[in-house]
Amino acid sequence: AQSVTQLGSHVSVSEGALVLLRCNYSSSVPPYLFWYVQYPNQGLQLLLKYTTGATLVKGINGFEAEFKKSETSFHLTKPSAHMSDAAEYFCAVTYPNDMRFGAGTRLTVKP
Amino acid sequence: NAGVTQTPKFQVLKTGQSMTLQCAQDMNHNSMYWYRQDPGMGLRLIYYSASEGTTDKGEVPNGYNVSRLNKREFSLRLESAAPSQTSVYFCASSEKPTDRYPGPQHFGDGTRLSIL
Repeated sequence: AQSVTQLGSHVSVSEGALVLLRCNYSSSVPPYLFWYVQYPNQGLQLLLKYTTGATLVKGINGFEAEFKKSETSFHLTKPSAHMSDAAEYFCAVTYPNDMRFGAGTRLTVKP
Repeated sequence: NAGVTQTPKFQVLKTGQSMTLQCAQDMNHNSMYWYRQDPGMGLRLIYYSASEGTTDKGEVPNGYNVSRLNKREFSLRLESAAPSQTSVYFCASSEKPTDRYPGPQHFGDGTRLSIL
């Protein structure tokens, strides 16, 4: 079955530390991939997307992600965490006529 | 700049009652989607409409119906609500898919639905 796996339902980092949120997908067809962020009581907002071309994708708020086809991964990183980054993050992968989301990773940023 | 608007924001129903969740977008997008969000399960696609006049089932369509009223509006109906349908429901819209792949989506703020 086609799926999206986010390793770690909760990640905690200190302010200023590296943020790494992991996403792996299973697919036999090269997909399009997205990362979304969700703040409390809000809908999802697009952070970044990979469709074609450069495999290192830059998004908003200093986040970036690298598409590694050989590893079927699309991990999200940010060099230095900020308190405002605390939220839930979702990886999403498109398949023909479908989009699948990971279960989400809640990021906590400690002062 | 409204984007995607969902109504109502909150609703409590009794088992067996019916209800329609409303969604409207003002971005002239062709495609619209309904998801449900449950703890630890991410978002699951209920139904989608790739373009005006078409609707298709997603991953979890049972117990739901949809209507694409026009290009702007896409409603979700629960005919006979069940406690298992307690969830947060999100509507989203996007440009028309390219090569059958959905594009990046714009989400509403959700409808929090509790069924007793």
